[in-house]
This record gives sequence, C-alpha cells and structure tokens, in this order.
Amino acid sequence: EDKVVQSPLSLVVHEGDTVTLNCSYEVTNFRSLLWYKQEKKAPTFLFMLTSSGIEKKSGRLSSILDKKELFSILNITATQTGDSAVYLCAVELLDDKIIFGKGTRLHILP
Amino acid sequence: GAGVSQTPSNKVTEKGKYVELRCDPISGHTALYWYRQSLGQGPEFLIYFQGTGAADDSGLPNDRFFAVRPEGSVSTLKIQRTERGDSAVYLCASSPQGGAGGPATQYFGPGTRLLVL
Repeated sequence: EDKVVQSPLSLVVHEGDTVTLNCSYEVTNFRSLLWYKQEKKAPTFLFMLTSSGIEKKSGRLSSILDKKELFSILNITATQTGDSAVYLCAVELLDDKIIFGKGTRLHILP
Repeated sequence: GAGVSQTPSNKVTEKGKYVELRCDPISGHTALYWYRQSLGQGPEFLIYFQGTGAADDSGLPNDRFFAVRPEGSVSTLKIQRTERGDSAVYLCASSPQGGAGGPATQYFGPGTRLLVL
C-alpha cells in the first residue's frame, strides 16, 4: 500500500531556531514529491521535487529529495511566528493520484 | 477567478440527509481533485477528474459518495444518506495539467467544512 510518513507529528521551537521536517515514502510509480503549508483550510504550495540531490530554495525554506533512500526534508531557518502551520508532504504518482502524509504541526514561540 | 473557490464554506446537516458541495476550479485547469481531511490528518484522496471524466474514483469510500463535472469546469461532490463519520473538511484542488503532461502544481480551494449531526 502506498504511504507517506512524516515526522515529527508536532514540533514546538522558539523564534529564530532552525527546524528540519522529515518525509519518507513507500509508493509505486513515483512522479514527484510535494510540500505544502496549511495554516487554516487550503494548503498552499511550497515545493515540487522530482530529482534527487537538487535543493529547492525559497527564502528561509529549502527542501531536498533523496530518491534512493525515499525521503525528503524541509528546512526552515531563522523561524518566525508566521511559520506556525501544518506542513504537509505528499507524493504524486504516475496515475496523477496524490498521497498525503499526516503533516507536521509546527508551532513557533515568540 | 483568482483561485479555486468552494461553496458552501460550512455546512451543517442531519444524519441521513443529502448534501452537495461545489468546487469552481481555476479557469482553464483541466484536472480537478477532491480530498477529505479529518482533524489531525492529511488530505485523503477521493476522486480525480481529467476534463469531464472521472479518471480515478478509487478514493470514494462507498457508494453514498458521487462526484460529477459535466462541463469540465465546475464539479459537485454529492453525499447521500450522510453519516456522522462523514464530518470533515472537503478540499478541492485544480491543476493545469495531469497525466502525460507530467507533474503539475495543485492549487487548493478553502474547503467546505461539513458537520453531520
């Protein structure tokens, strides 16, 4: 059965800290790995990763994929209270289905 | 429109009733997805449309759930004989392409929060 597992499930850190969120997957017919940020209702897109070893970066956020070990990490440096959210990892399959993990709930203390 | 819209934003119904949830995708997006998200869980895939046809409906939990997209744009998720366990946020997403077009970003709507009493 296709699955995506995220860790930790929740994380509390102080503003300014750096965090690393983990995502591992076991799927057939992998196409891409996606990261989303969900604050209230709609997840907002962060990154799409298709190739191993190529870091994607957007401001203080970065992500990388390891297709051999079947995992990805999302890094957030110099965290701010506005980074508090649920971060969702998802894997898109070749048949266009997307499997989501349960998410990591990140809380940044001021 | 600027993004994916969903109506209603909230729906409260009684057990056994019928509900319809609507999704307006971004104009021109051919792919449309429905997800269900329960508290503390990630979105769970329900059904995927490519154009007017349901390309994959394997995520629909049972035959009380049905979705249509008759003109390849707006989609309606229909739930018959609702049960308390159907209470969740129902998310819709659209994408400019899918299938052989390769990976594409999904844009999510704000969701409909369904509560079955």
